[in-house]
Amino acid sequence: DAGVIQSPRHEVTEMGQEVTLRCKPISGHDYLFWYRQTMMRGLELLIYFNNNVPIDDSGMPEDRFSAKMPNASFSTLKIQPSEPRDSAVYFCASSPGQYRNEQFFGPGTRLTVL
Amino acid sequence: RKEVEQDPGPFNVPEGATVAFNCTYSNSASQSFFWYRQDCRKEPKLLMSVYSSGNEDGRFTAQLNRASQYISLLIRDSKLSDSATYLCVVNNAKAAGNKLTFGGGTRVLVKP
Repeated sequence: DAGVIQSPRHEVTEMGQEVTLRCKPISGHDYLFWYRQTMMRGLELLIYFNNNVPIDDSGMPEDRFSAKMPNASFSTLKIQPSEPRDSAVYFCASSPGQYRNEQFFGPGTRLTVL
Repeated sequence: RKEVEQDPGPFNVPEGATVAFNCTYSNSASQSFFWYRQDCRKEPKLLMSVYSSGNEDGRFTAQLNRASQYISLLIRDSKLSDSATYLCVVNNAKAAGNKLTFGGGTRVLVKP
């Protein structure tokens, strides 16, 4: 079975540019999560969706960040405009729901903003 | 106080030895507990769930102590490939849905 798929795996961009990260969750999973990981702050939850509906976006740093889930098999995380402090690894994870809340992570997108 | 706290380590372990470490959690209403493993520059991967009665998976044993609000992981006969960061994960009982809270991780280095 395919796991969580993320693209791109690496992104290098210049400050001020728009960045779009993509995620395809595991088929049949009801929940999708976006995380950010840095050495300083560890793993931080940014936002999560249940059945394509955003449930909690309290972790989104500021208005420059937005996330969408137009259907059950696709989600995007957009940063506009990007800043050097956004440099991090961004993980997408999905979870089955139905009394199972373990999460399965994608390989991550390593973002560098110059 | 952090919701999930772990000793960051590193725990330097001779190959073949046993290593154990704990994590504490603050929310007594938490119901689901997991250990994840994260290798350098890789994603976190589910190692095992932690059940009330304690459970084993090969060389790995997980225990839950609800009274003292901690979970533990014990690794027997350590292999070089066990070198990784181990993340303690607890469900966030206050939040709707499947939100989990991750600890900062305990780094384990197994050496020949």
